[in-house]
Amino acid sequence: DADVTQTPRNRITKTGKRIMLECSQTKGHDRMYWYRQDPGLGLRLIYYSFDVKDINKGEISDGYSVSRQAQAKFSLSLESAIPNQTALYFCATSDLAGPTGVEQFFGPGTRLTVL
Amino acid sequence: QQQVKQSPQSLIVQKGGISIINCAYENTAFDYFPWYQQFPGKGPALLIAIRPDVSEKKEGRFTISFNKSAKQFSLHIMDSQPGDSATYFCAASEKGTYKYIFGTGTRLKVLA
Repeated sequence: DADVTQTPRNRITKTGKRIMLECSQTKGHDRMYWYRQDPGLGLRLIYYSFDVKDINKGEISDGYSVSRQAQAKFSLSLESAIPNQTALYFCATSDLAGPTGVEQFFGPGTRLTVL
Repeated sequence: QQQVKQSPQSLIVQKGGISIINCAYENTAFDYFPWYQQFPGKGPALLIAIRPDVSEKKEGRFTISFNKSAKQFSLHIMDSQPGDSATYFCAASEKGTYKYIFGTGTRLKVLA
C-alpha cells in the first residue's frame, strides 16, 4: 500500500471551475506540503502545514487554498481554475522526529489540465 | 527568484559513462542538500543527501561533491545504466525551516 496517496490522479476541468485535490498519508507524519511541477521550473512550494492548526503559504500560493482536515489529510483547492494552473501537483510529507528531520516523501502526483 | 540553479537541463550519456549534474546556491543559511530522483509517472524520491560539514558523500554508484566556498554541489553517477534514466532534482533547505528550494531539474537519458 502506498504511504502517500493522491486523488484524483488525473483531472481535466474548465476555466472558472472549483476543484479540490486530496492527499492522504499513512506514515504518521506531522508535516505536509503541496507542490506544483512545471517543465523547466522544477518543483515549487504552494502551501505547507506543520500540524493541523498550522498552515503556511509557500512561494506560489496565489489562486490556491488548503485545508488540513486531520493529521493524515491535506487538501488543495483551486477556487476558480485558470489555464496557467495546468501542471503536475504533488503532495509530500515529512517526519518531525525523523533522523534528518527534513526528508520528504512524495505522493504519485495529480495531473491537472485546465481548459 | 531562483535560489538553486541546476544544470544541464538535459543530459544524454552512454551506458557505463559518468553522469554529472551541477547545482549552485546563493543562501549561505542552507544546511541540507538532497538529490531527488523522479521516474515518469512517479513522485520524486530521495536519492542521496549531504550536509555542508563534509565535502563528499558516496552511496553505491552515486556521489555528491560539495564545495562550500563556491556554493556549489554536484551529483555524479558512475557506471551509468539505462535504469538510471530519470529526472533529477537538487534541492536545498535552510536550517529550521523544513522547506526545500528545488532546482529546475535535469532529464537524464542513459543509452543502452
